[in-house]
Amino acid sequence: AQKVTQAQTEISVVEKEDVTLDCVYETRDTTYYLFWYKQPPSGELVFLIRRNSFDEQNEISGRYSWNFQKSTSSFNFTITASQVVDSAVYFCAQRAEGSGNTGKLIFGQGTTLQVKP
Amino acid sequence: DTEVTQTPKHLVMGMTNKKSLKCEQHMGHRAMYWYKQKAKKPPELMFVYSYEKLSINESVPSRFSPECPNSSLLNLHLHALQPEDSALYLCASSQSFKLNANTGELFFGEGSRLTVL
Repeated sequence: AQKVTQAQTEISVVEKEDVTLDCVYETRDTTYYLFWYKQPPSGELVFLIRRNSFDEQNEISGRYSWNFQKSTSSFNFTITASQVVDSAVYFCAQRAEGSGNTGKLIFGQGTTLQVKP
Repeated sequence: DTEVTQTPKHLVMGMTNKKSLKCEQHMGHRAMYWYKQKAKKPPELMFVYSYEKLSINESVPSRFSPECPNSSLLNLHLHALQPEDSALYLCASSQSFKLNANTGELFFGEGSRLTVL
């Protein structure tokens, strides 16, 4: 069955530390799409990145980087030199199997990141 | 600032009340979504509209009634709710999923936090 697993429930770091959020996915689809969203205390889910299964290039955006490894079915997210503003809940998600062209997403349970000053 | 606007941000209602949640987007998206999120849990899909027609209903109880008056607006009518319906209700939109370009990238509002007494 399709599944997205974020094993880390909560992570606490001190500002300027690097932190990696883990995501492991399961799917029977050969073409699939993975996402990361950030949910700050305000409640809004902020889209961070989409990765297609046929594009294994890792991506860097400022202090954020993503490591997509099909061999281990992982799509990990690293924040370099963390800041207090990075404190949020982070969700890894995958487009639902058999969803056709709908936007239905399967979310992981989320990782709460606390960055202390 | 989010391009998906939800009102009200907070709502408290009794079990016999009738209220509505509203969502508006001006990104030209033709797919709109309602998600429900309980505390410390990931969002769960409730409804999907495509081109103002209901496309997905995830077996949601009839006390929740969605409405899509036009491509920019999405409402969720609430009636005879239960205390367990208290949650954050998130609206989202995406490009039409009739276009091949849509790979499930959703844009969320800040949500309406509902408390049922």
